[in-house]
Amino acid sequence: AQSVTQLDSHVSVSEGTPVLLRCNYSSSYSPSLFWYVQHPNKGLQLLLKYTSAATLVKGINGFEAEFKKSETSFHLTKPSAHMSDAAEYFCVVSGLYNQGGKLIFGQGTELSVKP
Amino acid sequence: DVKVTQSSRYLVKRTGEKVFLECVQDMDHENMFWYRQDPGLGLRLIYFSYDVKMKEKGDIPEGYSVSREKKERFSLILESASTNQTSMYLCASSRFAGGDTQYFGPGTRLTVL
Repeated sequence: AQSVTQLDSHVSVSEGTPVLLRCNYSSSYSPSLFWYVQHPNKGLQLLLKYTSAATLVKGINGFEAEFKKSETSFHLTKPSAHMSDAAEYFCVVSGLYNQGGKLIFGQGTELSVKP
Repeated sequence: DVKVTQSSRYLVKRTGEKVFLECVQDMDHENMFWYRQDPGLGLRLIYFSYDVKMKEKGDIPEGYSVSREKKERFSLILESASTNQTSMYLCASSRFAGGDTQYFGPGTRLTVL
């Protein structure tokens, strides 16, 4: 069965420092993996998506994630945090095809950015 | 751009009331989803639909039903609202099954008193 674990419920960084949000997944086949972001009182927005092409995936707003099959990880990084990055981030793995496109969400990581 | 709209941003209802949450997407997507979001639990799938008049139970369907009479519209129904259904409800749509990108609406924050 597919599952995803976000290793930190809360991460705090200073503006201008790197961001690392950690995600491990479990899947019985090569999954699609996503990172979504949710700003306060807003819906979820897609940051980036991995679909078995390049293992380093670039997303919007300077974020990127690296798919590491040997470590079953899909960590999200950004070289330099900005105040506007403060939000909740969700790591997501695709369900089995016969589950009708179901996505399985991690519990979320709240990112705080200090001035 | 894909647009997914939800009928209300905030809703307050009383225990026992019948509640309708409406979702409309404008990109002719086949698949539509309803999730609820609670702190520390991420998003949990309530129901999804892969075609008009078709529906499938998600992980937490108890106390909910859905309706999809038209391709662009997917409704979530709480037959008799209870306080434990106080939550944020998010609608999403995707073109394909099998792990396609889902596009989300802004959410409806429902409070049941």
